[in-house]
Order: sequence, then structure tokens, then C-alpha cells
Amino acid sequence: NAGVMQNPRHLVRRRGQEARLRCSPMKGHSHVYWYRQLPEEGLKFMVYLQKENIIDESGMPKERFSAEFPKEGPSILRIQQVVRGDSAAYFCASSPQDRVRNEQFFGPGTRLTVL
Amino acid sequence: ELKVEQNPLFLSMQEEKNYTIYCNYSTTSDRLYWYRQDPGKSLESLFVLLSNGAVKQEGRLMASLDTKARLSTLHITAAVHDLSATYFCAVDPSYTGANSKLTFGKGITLSVRP
Repeated sequence: NAGVMQNPRHLVRRRGQEARLRCSPMKGHSHVYWYRQLPEEGLKFMVYLQKENIIDESGMPKERFSAEFPKEGPSILRIQQVVRGDSAAYFCASSPQDRVRNEQFFGPGTRLTVL
Repeated sequence: ELKVEQNPLFLSMQEEKNYTIYCNYSTTSDRLYWYRQDPGKSLESLFVLLSNGAVKQEGRLMASLDTKARLSTLHITAAVHDLSATYFCAVDPSYTGANSKLTFGKGITLSVRP
């Protein structure tokens, strides 16, 4: 059973470009979460999605950031017009429909560098 | 707003000695998670603690949860080099029984020296 998959693993963008980060959850998992990790910091929640629905986007910046989890295909985190402050590791996690444990399994992350 | 604090932030450990690290959180919760992260890597799930008094053990690590004190401890027995990593605790404050976001502490970096 493959784990959570993310690609690309490393992404370099120049200021003003767009970054697209992809996440495929573990088989059988219907919940996807995106977190951002700045150097020497813990993970900060960004958005929680189920198929075709955004459940909680309270951690998402209001501008330039968007996320989706379509009926078919991976979840996408899109950052438009990137700035240097967007440089970070972006982790996706998935969980099954288990309301008791809510255990989240993390992907390898995408390390975004904005030049 | 939920706050999760871990201390100390860095701990240099001597091999074969015992240590305890702490995770405090600011609002009532009965779901707490410990993760391990190696440099440049993802997070590996270590423990899921789901009720007051929960205790879980895996190898040299033992985690416990006191929901009344809003405190979790991670006890390390006879530290070995392989345990060098950053350890995060995360809290799920929801009471709805639904899946929800986790709030993470800043992490504690453990370094085991001979």
C-alpha cells in the first residue's frame, strides 16, 4: 500500500511565477490536509479538503493561495505570483474516515524555493 | 486560539541515560499525537493518544497523556544515537468526533552523544 505521494519533491520558482503542488492520498483515504513548515518551525495548518469540497481553509492566506481536491486525480495546492516568503516545505497528509483516531499520515513534502 | 508548547526546544542527551520531554496545550482536548521528523524528511507517526491516562510504548519511547493538566510527556529510556531527530506533538481540539486539522508545537530536537 503506497503512502501519501507528493510531487514535485523540490520546486524552484522565480518571484511572480505560479507554483503547483500535487498530493495523492493513501489508498482508501478520503481526507486531505495541507500544512506549511518554515525553517526551524512546526507545521502550520493551511487547508482541509474532502473530494470536491473544502472543509476548512482557516489557515490559508486570503490571496494567491488556493486548493482543490477534484473527484478524479490528486489534490492541488496552487500559489500564484509567488514571493520569497512562500519558500517553505509544504506537506500533505491524508486520513481515513476514522472519526475516533483522526490519525494523519504525511507525504514526503514539496520544498519550494522562490528566487 | 489553541497553543501547543514543547520544551525544551533542544536537548542534548547522553547515551544510555533517561530523559523526559513535555508538550503542553492551552485548550481542552483528548486527542494528541507524537511525530518524529529526521532532517529533510517527512513526519513519521509515533503515537496516537486518545484519552486521559493513555499510555503507549514503542521500544525506548513511552508517551502519556494527562488531559486534566493538558500535558503529554514523552519518556526516553536509555537513549541511543538512532533516536536523534526532531519530535513534534500535535493536538486535535475538536469534540465533534470528526476529522479535523492538527495544531503542532515547534518541535524538540534531540541529539544523542556518546
